[in-house]
Amino acid sequence: EIVLTQSPATLSLSPGERATLSCAASQSVRRYLAWYQQKPGQAPRLLIYDASYRATGIPARFSGSGSGTDFTLTISSLEPEDSAIYFCQERSDWPLCSFGQGTKLEIK
Amino acid sequence: QVQLVQSGGDMKKPGSSVRVSCMASGASFGNFAISWVRQAPGQGLEWMGNIIPSFPTTHYAQKFQGRVTFTADESTSTFYMDLNGLTSEDTAIYYCAKESSGNYLRDFDYWGQGTLVTVST
Repeated sequence: EIVLTQSPATLSLSPGERATLSCAASQSVRRYLAWYQQKPGQAPRLLIYDASYRATGIPARFSGSGSGTDFTLTISSLEPEDSAIYFCQERSDWPLCSFGQGTKLEIK
Repeated sequence: QVQLVQSGGDMKKPGSSVRVSCMASGASFGNFAISWVRQAPGQGLEWMGNIIPSFPTTHYAQKFQGRVTFTADESTSTFYMDLNGLTSEDTAIYYCAKESSGNYLRDFDYWGQGTLVTVST
């Protein structure tokens, strides 16, 4: 089973700042990594797939990068509505699937 | 527009079983591959397995093998998750999620609203 480790656990930033969230895989997942945003009381929403492609309707301030075992989600200029928990997910050996434990992003 | 609408929350006794439903619309039933994902209170996401009625095939995460069953009813476009032998550790929100047909089923582009299952005496 592939383990995804996200860091930091919590991030507190101000509007307009840049957020960098990391996801490390225990073994290579090639580029088969996705990022999701989850707000309180809501289901997760797909942001990024295949490491760097924005899902439909996702603002350009969200970007993803990485391959192999190290991945990054960047939010270039934070908005108050970006306050949420962010999860990474891999599926390099379909149908098996793993999620990271999440990074909580707080907007001051 | 694809929509997944799940059944309402449920409270169960330890040792009992629960069924959660997920009604799909907005696409051909044969195009749906559905995963079930759960989230314990304040915790992360846990993949339970998936079902692809058009193949047909089901896969279960090892942790849930023998305790969970996924089925689908094409006549009502509804997917079901049955979980038995409930314990307090099964208290969670259960989501159905559509696997992205445009990306080789690698991620989840639509999610149900979630169903809270509470296991308590």
